[in-house]
Amino acid sequence: ELKVEQNPLFLSMQEGKNYTIYCNYSTTSDRLYWYRQDPGKSLESLFVLLSNGAVKQEGRLMASLDTKARLSTLHITAAVHDLSATYFCAVDRGGSNYKLTFGKGTLLTVNP
Amino acid sequence: DVKVTQSSRYLVKRTGEKVFLECVQDMDHENMFWYRQDPGLGLRLIYFSYDVKMKEKGDIPEGYSVSREKKERFSLILESASTNQTSMYLCASSAPPKGINIQYFGAGTRLSVL
Repeated sequence: ELKVEQNPLFLSMQEGKNYTIYCNYSTTSDRLYWYRQDPGKSLESLFVLLSNGAVKQEGRLMASLDTKARLSTLHITAAVHDLSATYFCAVDRGGSNYKLTFGKGTLLTVNP
Repeated sequence: DVKVTQSSRYLVKRTGEKVFLECVQDMDHENMFWYRQDPGLGLRLIYFSYDVKMKEKGDIPEGYSVSREKKERFSLILESASTNQTSMYLCASSAPPKGINIQYFGAGTRLSVL
């Protein structure tokens, strides 16, 4: 059974600081997705990582994938308040069933 | 843009009632999913459908059933609602091109069972 662990689950940081959210998973997969959820709203796709060594960046967020270590990171650079949200990683279970297993989410709060 | 629409944002039902949650997508996606989201537990897959009238149990199907009579519509049914089914329910759809499996989510239905 595929397990996906995110840490930390809660992250409070100051504006301007850098931090990294980690996503570890338990079985082989080379497809990983990051989503963002704003309070009271639904999930929105952020990044799709499809191979070992994949790196994607948008604005102050950068995601990477190391399939050998079964690890993805979401790095936040010079945080701003607008980045406050819950971030989920999701791992493709493989095969043809297109199911994803989600981590529990990281609640990020960026304080002035 | 892909649009996934859930019929209700908030629902309040009584224990034992039969509850229908409706989801419609407008992008001709083959795959549709129902998740529940609970604090501290993340998203858990209830049921999945990969074609009309085709369904597959997810990780927590007990107490739920689904219906997919048309490609664009996927319904989640609580046959006899219980208080432990109070939760946020999210519907998603996808139509993966090779290697890419982005799921697009609806706004969610917050269900309270009293």
